Amino acid sequence: GDSVTQMEGPVTLSEEAFLTINCTYTATGYPSLFWYVQYPGEGLQLLLKATKADDKGSNKGFEATYRKETTSFHLEKGSVQVSDSAVYFCALSDESSGDKLTFGTGTRLAVRP
Amino acid sequence: KAGVTQTPRYLIKTRGQQVTLSCSPISGHRSVSWYQQTPGQGLQFLFEYFSETQRNKGNFPGRFSGRQFSNSRSEMNVSTLELGDSALYLCASSLWTGDTEAFFGQGTRLTVV
Repeated sequence: GDSVTQMEGPVTLSEEAFLTINCTYTATGYPSLFWYVQYPGEGLQLLLKATKADDKGSNKGFEATYRKETTSFHLEKGSVQVSDSAVYFCALSDESSGDKLTFGTGTRLAVRP
Repeated sequence: KAGVTQTPRYLIKTRGQQVTLSCSPISGHRSVSWYQQTPGQGLQFLFEYFSETQRNKGNFPGRFSGRQFSNSRSEMNVSTLELGDSALYLCASSLWTGDTEAFFGQGTRLTVV
């Protein structure tokens, strides 16, 4: 079945540092890939998505590229801010699995001033 | 426009009781999905409803059920509550089933004592 593996957290960075959160996936079909962010006490917000190989999703300075050859969708940001502190979830949606979202375990990011 | 609304935000129930959670999707959205979030299991798919029909179901016992009304509002019910049902229950709405963009509510925090 489908699965998503993302790096364990927490990740602690200083403000303006470079961020990478690794995500790899296993899927039977051709999935769409997503990054969601969850701030404390809140639900999930879609951060970015990519629906086919080599697509790059981007939003609010975050980027991720759909790499079919390495089955990866790593999240990057060039300069993090304190306000980026949250939990980040990598997810996939696969038509062969009924389009439900399959999530990774989440990576907590803490950014120090 | 208004986002996804889940009520109530917090619930405390006793083992053996039943509970009903409500989700009002974004206006015009016809697909509603439910997810359970726990520290141990992460985010797990419960079920999806589209046009009042259950389209997809996750691996949860029959104590978990749901329904969708003609106005696309959805409810999920958990009967014979167990301590392990304590979780954040998240609802997500999409324009239609198979849509790659899901919008999440803030969730209902259920505590079973």
